Amino acid sequence: DAGITQSPRYKITETGRQVTLMCHQTWSHSYMFWYRQDLGHGLRLIYYSAAADITDKGEVPDGYVVSRSKTENFPLTLESATRSQTSVYFCASSESGTSGRWDEQFFGPGTRLTVL
Amino acid sequence: QKEVEQNSGPLSVPEGAIASLNCTYSDRGSQSFFWYRQYSGKSPELIMFIYSNGDKEDGRFTAQLNKASQYVSLLIRDSQPSDSATYLCAADTGRRALTFGSGTRLQVQP
Repeated sequence: DAGITQSPRYKITETGRQVTLMCHQTWSHSYMFWYRQDLGHGLRLIYYSAAADITDKGEVPDGYVVSRSKTENFPLTLESATRSQTSVYFCASSESGTSGRWDEQFFGPGTRLTVL
Repeated sequence: QKEVEQNSGPLSVPEGAIASLNCTYSDRGSQSFFWYRQYSGKSPELIMFIYSNGDKEDGRFTAQLNKASQYVSLLIRDSQPSDSATYLCAADTGRRALTFGSGTRLQVQP
């Protein structure tokens, strides 16, 4: 099916473990984004990517690693999970926009991550 | 100062009334503004986008942008209980793509 998917939808892990959250989109959008959402903070940008092999830090990148070898995939890795990384993670994608304006971002269903 | 600010609410309105949601942003260079709706436990979905000063209407929704005052608002006419959700305002703030506000929770009372 067309759209943007995330896996797993729910994940429980322990402090210190490595965790990878997957994101896949079928629209061939240029841009992809990772956000975390915590109560009282809204959506905060972790990393984003303008194209394959081009990534850039967002507001809260520490403790996270991303890669984008293919346009359609944008995995997010927590190298050594900490309790403060317990959150809901959303992946999003958008077209590149024109004239300095951003296009709409389409969001995946989210991954609820708990770090014990 | 947060880059995009919203009143967290809850904003409570009776069914059929107009709900007015407000948002301010700090970057005078921002050009793209979005309103997303998010139901509890779900992902955000786009309601409106606006790029130019003035009003933009889509059905029961009107987005208003005032770049001189750096605020964006969303009006929901004839509010329905199904409009009860958290509304997120977003603006482009520099090279970091969109920055989202913390959201305003709207409750429409039947």
